[in-house]
Amino acid sequence: DTGVSQDPRHKITKRGQNVTFRCDPISEHNRLYWYRQTLGQGPEFLTYFQNEAQLEKSRLLSDRFSAERPKGSFSTLEIQRTEQGDSAMYLCASSLYSPPLANQPQHFGDGTRLSIL
Amino acid sequence: AQKITQTQPGMFVQEKEAVTLDCTYDTSDQSYGLFWYKQPSSGEMIFLIYQGSYDEQNATEGRYSLNFQKARKSANLVISASQLGDSAMYFCAMRGPYRTQGAQKLVFGQGTRLTINP
Repeated sequence: DTGVSQDPRHKITKRGQNVTFRCDPISEHNRLYWYRQTLGQGPEFLTYFQNEAQLEKSRLLSDRFSAERPKGSFSTLEIQRTEQGDSAMYLCASSLYSPPLANQPQHFGDGTRLSIL
Repeated sequence: AQKITQTQPGMFVQEKEAVTLDCTYDTSDQSYGLFWYKQPSSGEMIFLIYQGSYDEQNATEGRYSLNFQKARKSANLVISASQLGDSAMYFCAMRGPYRTQGAQKLVFGQGTRLTINP
C-alpha cells in the first residue's frame, strides 16, 4: 500500500517565477487536500477535491494559486508570480469518503518545501 | 469558528517515561472529531489517533491514548513508555460536523515539539 507521494520534495526559485507541485494520493482515496505549513506553525487548509471537483477553497488561496485534479487521480498546485511570503511547506493529503463511514483520517505526503529567493 | 490550542511549545522526557501532550479546543458544534498527528523532521504528517465527540470511550491505539474531557474541551495525547523514535512535532487537529463544509478540512494547533532523552 503506497502512501501519498509529492513531487518535488524541495523547490528553490526566484521571486516572480511560476512553480507547480504534484501530488499522487493513495489510489483508492477520492478526496484530496492541499495545506500550507509555515515554519513553527501547524498546517493551514488551502483547498480540497472530491474526485475531480474542487469543492472548497480557503481565502488563503489567492488568485495566484490554482489547483487541479483533472481525472480525479493526481493533483497539481500552481503558484504564479511567486512572492517571498509563499515560502512554506506545501502538504498534500488524501482520504476515503464513503458514507456512512465517517471520520476516515487524512493521510499526508512528505510535502514540498518551497523557498523563494 | 474552530480553534485548537497547544500550550506546550516543547517537552523533554526521559526514555520509557509516559508523556502527556495538552490540547484544548473551541467549537460551537456538538458533533466534531479530534485527531493527533506526528511530524518527524522528514516532514510527513503521520496519523496517530482519532476521537469522535460522541465516542463514550477514550480512544487508544497501541502506546497512544487520548484523554478526552468533553466538558473541559480537552483532548490530551498520552504516550506510554516513550521511545527515542517518538521525538517529533505533535499536532492536535479537529474537523467540523459530518456532512458540513467544516468536516472537509482539519484545523491544526501550533504543535508541541517532543524530545525523548536516552
